[in-house]
Formats: sequence, C-alpha cells, structure tokens
Amino acid sequence: EVQLVESGGGLVKPGGSLRLSCAASGFTFSTCSMNWVRQAPGKGLEWVSSIDGSSGYICYADPVKGRFTISRDNAKKSLFLQMNSLRAEDTAVYYCASEVVSPSTYDYWGQGILVTVSS
Amino acid sequence: QSVLTQPPSVSAAPGQKVTISCSGSSSNVEKNYVSWYQQLPGTAPKLLIYENNKRPSEIPDRFSGSRSGTSATLGITGLQTGDEADYYCAAWDSSLSVGMFGGGTKLTVL
Repeated sequence: EVQLVESGGGLVKPGGSLRLSCAASGFTFSTCSMNWVRQAPGKGLEWVSSIDGSSGYICYADPVKGRFTISRDNAKKSLFLQMNSLRAEDTAVYYCASEVVSPSTYDYWGQGILVTVSS
Repeated sequence: QSVLTQPPSVSAAPGQKVTISCSGSSSNVEKNYVSWYQQLPGTAPKLLIYENNKRPSEIPDRFSGSRSGTSATLGITGLQTGDEADYYCAAWDSSLSVGMFGGGTKLTVL
C-alpha cells in the first residue's frame, strides 16, 4: 500500500522559514518523480514544485521560485520542501504527491500539512 | 488565476449525467496528458482519470475522460450524492515547465 505522510508544518512569522518532510512507502521511491501541491484556505489546488527520481530535473511555480527548495533523500524515501522568506500568501495545506503510474499524474497524495504564516 | 479553465460549478439530479470541461492551450492540454482529481470535503485529492481517459482500477466506470485539442472533459454518469465534491483537471505545461491545475468545479447532486 502506498503511503505518503507529511510533517513539519505549523505557524511561522512572515519572513521566517520552515522545512516540510514527506515520508514515502509502498512503492519504488527512487524511480518516481515527486511533487508538492498546496491549497490555500477555501481555494483551489496549486502546483508548487516537482523533482525527478535522480534530483536532476527540478521545477518551481513562479510564486515560490527563489524562496522554496525541493529535495529528496532516496535512501530514506523522503521528500523535502525548504521554505524561506515566507509570506502570508504561502498559508495553505501542503500536499506531497507522487508520480508512480504516469508522468505528470499525481496518483498518490499525502494527508496534507497546514502551514500558517502570520504575525 | 488558473491557466486551465473550468466552470466554477455544475449540478444535476441523482442518476443523471454531468460533464465538466477543462480548457487549456497548445502547450498544456493539447500537448500533454490530462488528469482529473476528486476532492471530497476535508480530504486530500484523489486521482480519477489519468492519461486523458484511463481509470485507476478502483475508480468505477461511471467516471470517464476525453480530450480533443485544447479541451478535456470529465464525464460522470449515474450521479450519486456521494459524488458531491470539487473536481480538478491538471496538465503539465511544456512551454513554462510548470504543473497546472484548473480552478476547480464544485459538483452538486440535487
């Protein structure tokens, strides 16, 4: 059974930093691209970032480029999102999502972790 | 503002059929696979359709997907009250090298 479990969320002040983690199990993590997708309160889904299995191809959405860094540790089957210079508009539930079945298909999702940026 | 355009809401009676459209461009919907997701209130999204028209094994055949040019469509037949949810389309944009979601469509089963 595929499982994705996010951790590391919480309340942070504007300008602060936070590091999200996603622990994966139930599939061959090292061969799958992974993504972070977020959802602001009452809003739709927004793709944030993706990383391929070898960490050789990484992409970011414009609103987070230069502030967020995606990374992975295949030995520990873990995905990370380092978030710096956080803004109020970064407040959202953050989901990690895998691409196991097909490229650019978010086939499995974690339960989500809330990040609140507020003073 | 989402680059993939969906109607904000659709509604239909139980047992009826509904379609949800997703309009994009030559660099996303027309060029790359479209996927669809269902998000029930308070839960994580769930994959319904991938590669335009394929269903994961656990998804009933009441759900279908199609694509023509720069538009894609999700169809749901035999509507049930449990289908009330938000539905999102998604596609990779090759020109911008970003993932894209539609703005979401709220389905109400009257």
